[in-house]
Amino acid sequence: ETGVTQTPRHLVMGMTNKKSLKCEQHLGHNAMYWYKQSAKKPLELMFVYSLEERVENNSVPSRFSPECPNSSHLFLHLHTLQPEDSALYLCASSQEFPSGIQETQYFGPGTRLLVL
Amino acid sequence: AQKITQTQPGMFVQEKEAVTLDCTYDTSDPSYGLFWYKQPSSGEMIFLIYQGSYDQQNATEGRYSLNFQKARKSANLVISASQLGDSAMYFCAIRKGTNFGNEKLTFGTGTRLTIIP
Repeated sequence: ETGVTQTPRHLVMGMTNKKSLKCEQHLGHNAMYWYKQSAKKPLELMFVYSLEERVENNSVPSRFSPECPNSSHLFLHLHTLQPEDSALYLCASSQEFPSGIQETQYFGPGTRLLVL
Repeated sequence: AQKITQTQPGMFVQEKEAVTLDCTYDTSDPSYGLFWYKQPSSGEMIFLIYQGSYDQQNATEGRYSLNFQKARKSANLVISASQLGDSAMYFCAIRKGTNFGNEKLTFGTGTRLTIIP
């Protein structure tokens, strides 16, 4: 596997279900991100992890819970979602340096989520 | 706050012609980076090209070039000799600041490019 992978690629769930999205990066990066892409809206940054520490949480509802067990894996745990949460969820990774130099973010293929 | 504006929701271009996708930005940061990504129907965001705010020359990557006009806060993407495989959504994005562990990309709404054979 190369680059950034995401599973599952498609997910349909009911509002009472609990599911998890998985992201894995094979690039040796130290930062990972979750984005939400809704129809006709710009990508919205949800969470940022740097060196496995969460450094940003953009006012995301608590029904989304991220987990970063190590620098290569990122999860997004979902529970009691709403229909408006249906979207494409994209994971990305990048390499960041203490000097402030930041490299480009590379994205995975995304998980298309439909909440019924 | 940073903002990206892409005013072209959709474009149709004949194969082999050049195409320019517009992007204007707004930021109060003196140092920033501008990105273009391509998103095919498969959903994956593919990095195309990057321009730093202090770069003196316009960035080029193969058939992609970025027409960077700092005074106008414009960062248009130019694709030369378009191909059918270029049909996709194209997103312009800006990255703020240089804080370690806080790389945040702000994206525009995108332009859907369709290449006509």
